[in-house]
Amino acid sequence: AQSVTQLGSHVSVSEGALVLLRCNYSSSVPPYLFWYVQYPNQGLQLLLKYTTGATLVKGINGFEAEFKKSETSFHLTKPSAHMSDAAEYFCAVTNAGKSTFGDGTTLTVKP
Amino acid sequence: DGGITQSPKYLFRKEGQNVTLSCEQNLNHDAMYWYRQDPGQGLRLIYYSQIVNDFQKGDIAEGYSVSREKKESFPLTVTSAQKNPTAFYLCASSTGGRNQPQHFGDGTRLSIL
Repeated sequence: AQSVTQLGSHVSVSEGALVLLRCNYSSSVPPYLFWYVQYPNQGLQLLLKYTTGATLVKGINGFEAEFKKSETSFHLTKPSAHMSDAAEYFCAVTNAGKSTFGDGTTLTVKP
Repeated sequence: DGGITQSPKYLFRKEGQNVTLSCEQNLNHDAMYWYRQDPGQGLRLIYYSQIVNDFQKGDIAEGYSVSREKKESFPLTVTSAQKNPTAFYLCASSTGGRNQPQHFGDGTRLSIL
């Protein structure tokens, strides 16, 4: 069994501020973890993924995430928010080709 | 460019009608998926198929049906048995490997008249 919990359904930051979106997972096998972004009325786009190896993963648009096994976490960060980062973000865990998604976090960026 | 095409973008259904949502991919992916998205509930898996002519129920399959006769196509039928069909439906595909991401279409928004 696997599950994902995203803490905070809404996060608001000022432009230029640090972005931190939280994700905790549960998995009975070593997890493969993903972050996706969704803009209004569109599908999801892959931001980054953790499979094996380096625990700090870099993705597109300046985002990165750190896999912490001891904390079962995979939080997404970006040092400086941009207005174009406003979107909904989903964390997912995948096993045997089947993904379980969190409920999503809506990021608002204030000018 | 390779990708996933969902059609139509918007769909309206009358009470008691079945409707079919189209999903086509040219990524040569083996696995395809259908999700339902409701506000604040993330994505819920309806059906998935890991190979042609085979598919499995997801978490919320009641009131839905699928077929996978071709690798490129995975249509979803929302039947009249689905009592609350209004939602955003997303189709995705992947190579099927455990560590592979899914590629998504742009969705179909279904509403009841």
